[in-house]
Amino acid sequence: GAVVSQHPSRVICKSGTSVKIECRSLDFQATTMFWYRQFPKQSLMLMATSNEGSKATYEQGVEKDKFLINHASLTLSTLTVTSAHPEDSSFYICSATRNPGLADTQYFGPGTRLTVL
Amino acid sequence: AQSVAQPEDQVNVAEGNPLTVKCTYSVSGNPYLFWYVQYPNRGLQFLLKYITGDNLVKGSYGFEAEFNKSQTSFHLKKPSALVSDSALYFCAVRDRGSGTYKYIFGTGTRLKVLA
Repeated sequence: GAVVSQHPSRVICKSGTSVKIECRSLDFQATTMFWYRQFPKQSLMLMATSNEGSKATYEQGVEKDKFLINHASLTLSTLTVTSAHPEDSSFYICSATRNPGLADTQYFGPGTRLTVL
Repeated sequence: AQSVAQPEDQVNVAEGNPLTVKCTYSVSGNPYLFWYVQYPNRGLQFLLKYITGDNLVKGSYGFEAEFNKSQTSFHLKKPSALVSDSALYFCAVRDRGSGTYKYIFGTGTRLKVLA
């Protein structure tokens, strides 16, 4: 149980275009989802926390107009990178949890590698 | 402020030998502690967590970790390493008194098990 999927696993796009990444909890309802960014050989940087039906909470320094997050259902959250630039190239990972208030574990998706040309 | 330290960038161990990956933390309250493993170009896989109770926590794939409150440590251990254990390991902490559900991750330790 507790499987999280991401789609696509890899995407290459041109500078200036927008890219949408989907994160789905396959066998549980996720009240909260998190979006992380990981640079090569570095740790995970939390970008935002997303609760179903409400606006995402962004970490300091993360542009909310550039990284649009939607958590429309208990099993789906999307991250849209708008007007992508080469510096947005990175590995994006989502995680999902059933009930963070009960210290429930975050379960991670397999990640999406974004390359902006 | 919450923080997690993984003092070793890389740990090398011979197959069959015991392994330890170190983690220390700093939180203002009581911690929830987690270990995850990441294989190349993949997301993180959950190994184990400490919430409360017994200080020795057993997890997936034969891994275990011991919560030591006085030393603020949560080292990951395995009695006998396998080549397939070679991966990147992350320790994470969440401060249960912080009012936030965020995890703070360490910088990761690359484990290399030599055949």
